[in-house]
Amino acid sequence: QVQLRESGPGLVGPSGTLSLTCVVSGGSFTSPNWWSWVRQGPGKGLEWIGEFYHGGPTTDYNPSLKRRATISLDASKNHLSLNLTSVTAADSAVYYCTRIGGGGFDYWGQGIRVTVSS
Amino acid sequence: EIVLTQSPGTLSLSPGERATLSCRASQSVNNHPIVWYQHKPGQPPRPLFSSTSSRATGIPGRFAASGSGTDFTLTISSLEPEDFAVYFCQHYSGSPPMYTFGQGTRLEIK
Repeated sequence: QVQLRESGPGLVGPSGTLSLTCVVSGGSFTSPNWWSWVRQGPGKGLEWIGEFYHGGPTTDYNPSLKRRATISLDASKNHLSLNLTSVTAADSAVYYCTRIGGGGFDYWGQGIRVTVSS
Repeated sequence: EIVLTQSPGTLSLSPGERATLSCRASQSVNNHPIVWYQHKPGQPPRPLFSSTSSRATGIPGRFAASGSGTDFTLTISSLEPEDFAVYFCQHYSGSPPMYTFGQGTRLEIK
């Protein structure tokens, strides 16, 4: 059973960089799977941020984030990271680490709430 | 970019009743059909059906997904108390890669 767990600061200052890490158990980020980050802002719907595949490595991002997002893997620690630069209050959200499967997201972490505020 | 529109925004029903939730796509999505999720407060979204309309592990048989082209439906035949939640539909487009969600339908107890 794949389990994902997100970690990182719950508060980021405006114009700063949001940095989150995801750890997987029961699986590996270097397996032949795609992995992704999804977020949900307060009172908003779900938004796909981007995806990562180790065999490349290959990354794809939501164009709406205007190249502010970077997903990377530290294979030595089996950590999948998300960096989001130049954050504003609009980036306040619960961020989920997910595995891609079945045309969508078949495994989700519990999510981590991040607030952008000074 | 495909836009998914869910209706109704809120559905108020009683346990034992039948729920019908709609997800309409702005263009045909037969290449990658719709995925459905159940989302409860404080929990991550839970996949209900994959894009092949296969019921996810542990999802009871009262849940059914149907549709093609631009119109998709999630039906819960007889509501149980634990079914009251927000339901999202989602689509994957491959060129370029993009995952799009509907805005959700809140299923609440009447």
